[in-house]
Amino acid sequence: NSKVIQTPRYLVKGQGQKAKMRCIPEKGHPVVFWYQQNKNNEFKFLINFQNQEVLQQIDMTEKRFSAECPSNSPCSLEIQSSEAGDSALYLCASSWGQGAGNTLYFGEGSRLIVV
Amino acid sequence: QQKVQQSPESLIVPEGGMASLNCTSSDRNVDYFWWYRQHSGKSPKMLMSIFSNGEKEEGRFTVHLNKASLHTSLHIRDSQPSDSALYLCAASRGSGTYQRFGTGTKLQVVP
Repeated sequence: NSKVIQTPRYLVKGQGQKAKMRCIPEKGHPVVFWYQQNKNNEFKFLINFQNQEVLQQIDMTEKRFSAECPSNSPCSLEIQSSEAGDSALYLCASSWGQGAGNTLYFGEGSRLIVV
Repeated sequence: QQKVQQSPESLIVPEGGMASLNCTSSDRNVDYFWWYRQHSGKSPKMLMSIFSNGEKEEGRFTVHLNKASLHTSLHIRDSQPSDSALYLCAASRGSGTYQRFGTGTKLQVVP
């Protein structure tokens, strides 16, 4: 069983609605990643954090997506105004570090359906 | 945009057979590769990683890496129905970057 906990497993939103997902990383892992896996199994990196600080994020994330990893609280990813193209599996992963040699440990994902 | 390409898209092998999966990076600066396995409805889980030229074996799984061509392959011998899953290749370049994933090879092992 995954030690990275993601909630909710499923969420259904109308276009324009907010969608919020949460992630508790594996204990002791300082780095958290968010990826989007679409129906064609394309993985898109969204953002990552080391402790509470953003390390990298892509342009899409800067515009409609917001994310945070506050201390002593779950990390979260929020889509401000959902679009049909946002329907995907959102995977949170944690690791000991970023880059070479650091395995990602994934949660089970939050599947977003935008109707 | 730098890509990780996997082939074939899908593969059917008989139980007990050998499955061979391929992955190539178009980013010349990549120096680390991973193979993850994702069963249907589950999260990806790391199978093997490799950063040195050559071969690495763990049980029924063998990974090869050719750094000159940025090509890695995963071989599964004595394939079992429980090996049926999506196999994802990921690559990263040194520290400070995230892993880039391919779109996977869907393996089906038939009895």
